[in-house]
Amino acid sequence: AQSVTQLGSHVSVSEGALVLLRCNYSSSVPPYLFWYVQYPNQGLQLLLKYTSAATLVKGINGFEAEFKKSETSFHLTKPSAHMSDAAEYFCAVSGSGTYKYIFGTGTRLKVLA
Amino acid sequence: GAGVSQSPSNKVTEKGKDVELRCDPISGHTALYWYRQSLGQGLEFLIYFQGNSAPDKSGLPSDRFSAERTGGSVSTLTIQRTQQEDSAVYLCASSLGGVSYNEQFFGPGTRLTVL
Repeated sequence: AQSVTQLGSHVSVSEGALVLLRCNYSSSVPPYLFWYVQYPNQGLQLLLKYTSAATLVKGINGFEAEFKKSETSFHLTKPSAHMSDAAEYFCAVSGSGTYKYIFGTGTRLKVLA
Repeated sequence: GAGVSQSPSNKVTEKGKDVELRCDPISGHTALYWYRQSLGQGLEFLIYFQGNSAPDKSGLPSDRFSAERTGGSVSTLTIQRTQQEDSAVYLCASSLGGVSYNEQFFGPGTRLTVL
C-alpha cells in the first residue's frame, strides 16, 4: 500500500526567502516520487520526479527535492521564492508494478511581497 | 493542440440530471486517467484506461459514474443522476504508457457544480 502526507495545507513565505514544502510517503515497494504544481484554473504540471537514480532531483523553475529513504521524505525546496511561485503543490507516489499515482492533499504556497 | 484538452471547462447542472465530461488526450498517449479534485482534498483516482485493456474502474465512487474511451483516444466520463456531493473539478491526464514513472500530463479540468 502507498500513501502520501503533505504537512501544512498552507505555507506563506516572503519573496526571496527559502521555500520548503514537506512530503512524507509510505510505500511497500521502491517508490517513484513526484511533485506537481497547479496554478489557478489550470491542470497540474510536473515539477520534478524521482525514479531511483540520483537522490537529489532538480526540476523546473529552480525547484529541487531530495529523496531520503531513512526519513521516507521527499521535501521540495527553492532557495529564493518568487511571486510567480504562488500556487498549489502536490506530492505523489507510485512504484514499480503499478500505474497509479497516490496524491497528497496539496500545499498552497503564498508568497508575500 | 499539443496538450490534454477537456470540455466543458465549467458545467452547472441541477441535482438529478446527467452530465458528460470529455477528455482529448495527447496524440499517441496510450494511458488515460480521470481524477476528481474536491475542495481541500487531494486528487482522487477514478478510472484508468491503457490501450485496449479492460479499464481499472476501482476508483469510481458509485454506479452512477461510468467512463468510456473510444478508439483508444477520446474519453467521456458520465455521471448519472447527479448529487450535490458530485460538485468538484474533474481532471483528465494522459501518459505514454501504463508505467508509473512516465509523466502524466493533465488537462485544465472541468469544474462541475450541482445545484
